[in-house]
Amino acid sequence: EADIYQTPRYLVIGTGKKITLECSQTMGHDKMYWYQQDPGMELHLIHYSYGVNSTEKGDLSSESTVSRIRTEHFPLTLESARPSHTSQYLCASSELDRPNTEAFFGQGTRLTVV
Amino acid sequence: DAKTTQPTSMDCAEGRAANLPCNHSTISGNEYVYWYRQIHSQGPQYIIHGLKNNETNEMASLIITEDRKSSTLILPHATLRDTAVYYCIVRIGNTPLVFGKGTRLSVIA
Repeated sequence: EADIYQTPRYLVIGTGKKITLECSQTMGHDKMYWYQQDPGMELHLIHYSYGVNSTEKGDLSSESTVSRIRTEHFPLTLESARPSHTSQYLCASSELDRPNTEAFFGQGTRLTVV
Repeated sequence: DAKTTQPTSMDCAEGRAANLPCNHSTISGNEYVYWYRQIHSQGPQYIIHGLKNNETNEMASLIITEDRKSSTLILPHATLRDTAVYYCIVRIGNTPLVFGKGTRLSVIA
């Protein structure tokens, strides 16, 4: 079992609210990722990090922002939620100093903006 | 863009082997082939990966052709719990995984 956790699992929130999706891992992994997945569609990379104070944008443009102040923690923030942000958000992590190893995924946060 | 091509869907009888093909004709020499699956929109689960030799673990076997342009994931005895979307991904080093649409495998009783 992978030790990567996302909270909350489900979130329903009103338009205009600020939200933060939490992702934590206890494996000491340097690399962490955020993916966005609409129902029945493929996963799209929106953010990733190689370690503390490192953040990069992914292939899919996103209005969300991320931070990496601690190795184990990679939160994603939406300053003003909109219905178009309704989606599932998946966090993952992998080792940096061992190439060609697997990434581990959390169970996801299903966000609904009303 | 994903560098792999997979069938959209497949069926497999319970207890039989499920053979999921993947085409990756543009794979480069140092890219690995990874397989993940996703059950009911949960987080993707790692299955297996390989470079050029066939690989086997407790979940599955991975057969890579000699020219590395295609591969097959084999679930030796499929169960209902193997019903999922299976993703074949080519990846170099620790670059982020790029997911395509995958194959929706339905295991039928």
